[in-house]
Amino acid sequence: DTGVSQDPRHKITKRGQNVTFRCDPISEHNRLYWYRQTLGQGPEFLTYFQNEAQLEKSRLLSDRFSAERPKGSFSTLEIQRTEQGDSAMYLCASSEETQYFGPGTRLLVL
Amino acid sequence: DQQVKQNSPSLSVQEGRISILNCDYTNSMFDYFLWYKKYPAEGPTFLISISSIKDKNEDGRFTVFLNKSAKHLSLHIVPSQPGDSAVYFCAAFRPTSGTYKYIFGTGTRLKVLA
Repeated sequence: DTGVSQDPRHKITKRGQNVTFRCDPISEHNRLYWYRQTLGQGPEFLTYFQNEAQLEKSRLLSDRFSAERPKGSFSTLEIQRTEQGDSAMYLCASSEETQYFGPGTRLLVL
Repeated sequence: DQQVKQNSPSLSVQEGRISILNCDYTNSMFDYFLWYKKYPAEGPTFLISISSIKDKNEDGRFTVFLNKSAKHLSLHIVPSQPGDSAVYFCAAFRPTSGTYKYIFGTGTRLKVLA
């Protein structure tokens, strides 16, 4: 399978804990994106990398959120001191032109 | 500020008939539009796209129409099949601006009845 993969697929955590998600893009894609989706909404842009450079960040990405793509391949999204409002589906996508999405990581903060 | 709007949260269509999903946008600077399909517990799957220099793009059973003056696009699925039952999102972006983020609508849930 050469699509975008994400790990874990599901995460349940207690409020205040830190969580980290991983995204492995399609290998030849140099652009990688993170989105967040809540119930009844479309995906909302969080941040975007071109190779290892983080080129754009949404104001939705508070200082508790950090994303990295250290070698221009896989990316991680960390949420520190999770809050119940962080409960959502976190989607990763990669592209040369059209964005292709992974299956998402569903986060539930109790 | 919802720049991309899908005003119909749901749509039911009989198998074999046409499904028409609509999307409106407010930012006239958008120059590329896409439709994605999403099944539960999966990520969005790309269906079809259209550049603002065109008014129609067709791929098999799927056709996207763009009306720039009305800032409106639609996705036609003919004939509709039960496997088309999913949530459909339209998305827009401005590659010419140097930003690659997509702006998504809120989705329309299509149910195709057998």
